[in-house]
Amino acid sequence: KQEVTQIPAALSVPEGENLVLNCSFTDSAIYNLQWFRQDPGKGLTSLLLIQSSQREQTSGRLNASLDKSSGRSTLYIAASQPGDSATYLCAVKGGSNYKLTFGKGTLLTVNP
Amino acid sequence: NAGVTQTPKFQVLKTGQSMTLQCAQDMNHNSMYWYRQDPGMGLRLIYYSASEGTTDKGEVPNGYNVSRLNKREFSLRLESAAPSQTSVYFCASSTLPGQSYEQYFGPGTRLTVT
Repeated sequence: KQEVTQIPAALSVPEGENLVLNCSFTDSAIYNLQWFRQDPGKGLTSLLLIQSSQREQTSGRLNASLDKSSGRSTLYIAASQPGDSATYLCAVKGGSNYKLTFGKGTLLTVNP
Repeated sequence: NAGVTQTPKFQVLKTGQSMTLQCAQDMNHNSMYWYRQDPGMGLRLIYYSASEGTTDKGEVPNGYNVSRLNKREFSLRLESAAPSQTSVYFCASSTLPGQSYEQYFGPGTRLTVT
């Protein structure tokens, strides 16, 4: 059974700092990995999706990497801003089914 | 495009009452999903529909039923609500097989069962 772990559970940084969020998964036979952002009381917004054949994806100040063999992904946020404060979730899709398995998220607070 | 829409946004039920949560997507996606999100448990899949006319159980299907009404709409029904079903419910849809399977989420329904 796939398990997804996100460390740390919470992170507080000053504005302008570069930061890394971590995601690990137990079964490397994945189809893709998706990073989401969730603001309090809101739904999930897809940030980046990495296919299993890819090593990284970039969107603006965000860069996500994938090391399938070691079961790890990182989300790098450059020059963090208070508006980046949110919970960040990673989710993996297995190769043989439609299901996404989610981590429990990292609560990020960027202080002005 | 509205993306994925859900109604209602909030609902309070008494134990034993029934209700249907509605979900619709306008992205021409084949697959649709229902998740629940609980503190400390993360998001868990309740049911999904790989394509119109099919539905399958996820991790936590007990106490729920679903209907894939057409390609756009996927509803979740609670026949006899229980306090354990207090949660935030999210509907999602994903791109076609052979594409990325990227999932897009609705804004959620916050359900309280007293």
